[in-house]
Amino acid sequence: QVQLQESGPGLVKPSETLSLTCNVSGGSISISYWSWIRQAPGKGLEWIGYTYHSGGTDYNPSLKSRVTISVDTSKTQFSLKLSSVTAADTAVYYCARVGNYGSYFDFWGQGTLVTVSS
Amino acid sequence: EVVLTQSPGTLSLSPGERATLSCRASQSVSSSYLAWYQQKPGQGPRLLIYGTSDRATGIPDRFSGSGSGTDFTLTISRLEPEDFAVYYCQQYGGSPMFTFGQGTKLEIK
Repeated sequence: QVQLQESGPGLVKPSETLSLTCNVSGGSISISYWSWIRQAPGKGLEWIGYTYHSGGTDYNPSLKSRVTISVDTSKTQFSLKLSSVTAADTAVYYCARVGNYGSYFDFWGQGTLVTVSS
Repeated sequence: EVVLTQSPGTLSLSPGERATLSCRASQSVSSSYLAWYQQKPGQGPRLLIYGTSDRATGIPDRFSGSGSGTDFTLTISRLEPEDFAVYYCQQYGGSPMFTFGQGTKLEIK
């Protein structure tokens, strides 16, 4: 059973960079796509982007200029960096694995709340 | 962008009843690329259905999915107490590659 666990600061100042890590256990990080998704308070889910073990990525165009997702296969983890954050980036951030057919997310972390505030 | 609109926003039913949740897409979605999730407070979403009608591992057969084109449905045949949660549909394709509906809250009547 694949398990994912997000970690990182719960509070980030406006204009700074949000950095989160997702630790993957119970499965190989080298054979799947790995994604970040967020959920603002009281809102729905928004896909941020994904990465593959080879380093390939794809991002939501609405966030593309500020997002970097990368994978560290030696540590079986992948990370998210979101620059120039504002209060609108306050959300619960989830990491997830893209399922075998590439079109859905079959395993999710429990999520971590990141608040952007001075 | 493919916009998914879920209805109703809130559905109030009793245990044992049948629940029918709708997801309408702003443009045609391949039946291979429509999924449903269940989310409970404080938890990450749980995959229920992928490819419109395939149940994920461990999902009870009271959950079923159907539909095609722009109209998709999640049906829960007989509600159990643990089924009361928020449900999201999700599609793959286009730009952005993945989009979600705004959710339907299934609450106990």
